[in-house]
Amino acid sequence: ELKVEQNPLFLSMQEGKNYTIYCNYSTTSDRLYWYRQDPGKSLESLFVLLSNGAVKQEGRLMASLDTKARLSTLHITAAVHDLSATYFCAVLTNYGGSQGNLIFGKGTKLSVKP
Amino acid sequence: DTGVSQDPRHKITKRGQNVTFRCDPISEHNRLYWYRQTLGQGPEFLTYFQNEAQLEKSRLLSDRFSAERPKGSFSTLEIQRTEQGDSAMYLCASSFGGSGNTIYFGEGSWLTVV
Repeated sequence: ELKVEQNPLFLSMQEGKNYTIYCNYSTTSDRLYWYRQDPGKSLESLFVLLSNGAVKQEGRLMASLDTKARLSTLHITAAVHDLSATYFCAVLTNYGGSQGNLIFGKGTKLSVKP
Repeated sequence: DTGVSQDPRHKITKRGQNVTFRCDPISEHNRLYWYRQTLGQGPEFLTYFQNEAQLEKSRLLSDRFSAERPKGSFSTLEIQRTEQGDSAMYLCASSFGGSGNTIYFGEGSWLTVV
């Protein structure tokens, strides 16, 4: 059974600082997704990583994927308050053929303070 | 393109009653997913359709739960004889085509069983 673990689960940062969220998963996959969720809201897609070594950047967020280590990272550069949210990584499983569903980590609740 | 639409957004029901949620995916998306999310947790996969075929069901989907996608467009998720443990946000998501495509989530349907 595929397990997805994120750490840390809670992260309090000061504005302007850098930090990395880690996402480990237990079985082979090269499809990894990052989502953002604001309180009481649905999930907003941030990145889809499709291969080993994939790196994507959007604004202050950069995501990478190492399929050999079964590890993805979400790096935050010079954090601002607007980045405060919960961030989820999710791994696509059973995607061979016509199937596929996402297995999510527990999420990292990020709070950026002035 | 109005995104994934879910209805109702909020439902309060008495234990033992049946409830039904509807999901309208993004137009032309052939894949439709149902997830459940409880407070402080990541979404958990329930079931998945490709067109009208239900291809996978989680063991979380007890026999009180049934999902349909009769014409390959909208989908319904029915919960019979609701229990307090069913209280959660039910998320619908859709995507098109291959496994590397973005999976878009709706705003969710909040269920409270009293």
